[in-house]
Amino acid sequence: DVKVTQSSRYLVKRTGEKVFLECVQDMDHENMFWYRQDPGLGLRLIYFSYDVKMKEKGDIPEGYSVSREKKERFSLILESASTNQTSMYLCASSSRSHYNEQFFGPGTRLTVL
Amino acid sequence: ELKVEQNPLFLSMQEGKNYTIYCNYSTTSDRLYWYRQDPGKSLESLFVLLSNGAVKQEGRLMASLDTKARLSTLHITAAVHDLSATYFCAVESSGGSNYKLTFGKGTLLTVNP
Repeated sequence: DVKVTQSSRYLVKRTGEKVFLECVQDMDHENMFWYRQDPGLGLRLIYFSYDVKMKEKGDIPEGYSVSREKKERFSLILESASTNQTSMYLCASSSRSHYNEQFFGPGTRLTVL
Repeated sequence: ELKVEQNPLFLSMQEGKNYTIYCNYSTTSDRLYWYRQDPGKSLESLFVLLSNGAVKQEGRLMASLDTKARLSTLHITAAVHDLSATYFCAVESSGGSNYKLTFGKGTLLTVNP
């Protein structure tokens, strides 16, 4: 079974702090994604990566950056957290050899105070 | 730009009844995915539909894809309370970044006794 894990289930940070969210997958998937989910807005793609050290902006990249130094790990960085970044963050991975079906991690609920 | 619309967004049904959730999308695509999300949880893959006319069934859920009409349906037969969840459809972009998925806003299904 594909397993996607995220470093924290719940996180509380203060405005202006630098925040790291980490995602690890164990199925050798080449594609990894970061989404945020907010009530009424559905899932919105922040960044994705199709290979190590490669990244592409999604629909809402402002205020975020990412890092993918190893194939299994994809990190989302909030350089200076703001209250409007309070949200549920979901990581997913997929593979072309598995129909690009995305498998999701458990999510991190981030609250910025 | 690919747009994905689900309807209804909210569905309250009685146990034992049948209903259909619709997913329309705006540009050509051959792959469509259905996911389920329980409250406070992440997304779980239900179905991957890979071509025109594809039909998949699991228990009381059946999904189908009509690529010519750009329409997928998720049919619920004889609903039970355990099916209460939010259901998302997602469509793969054709060409270019074709591993990206665009998600609908989700249908919140409540099955009442």
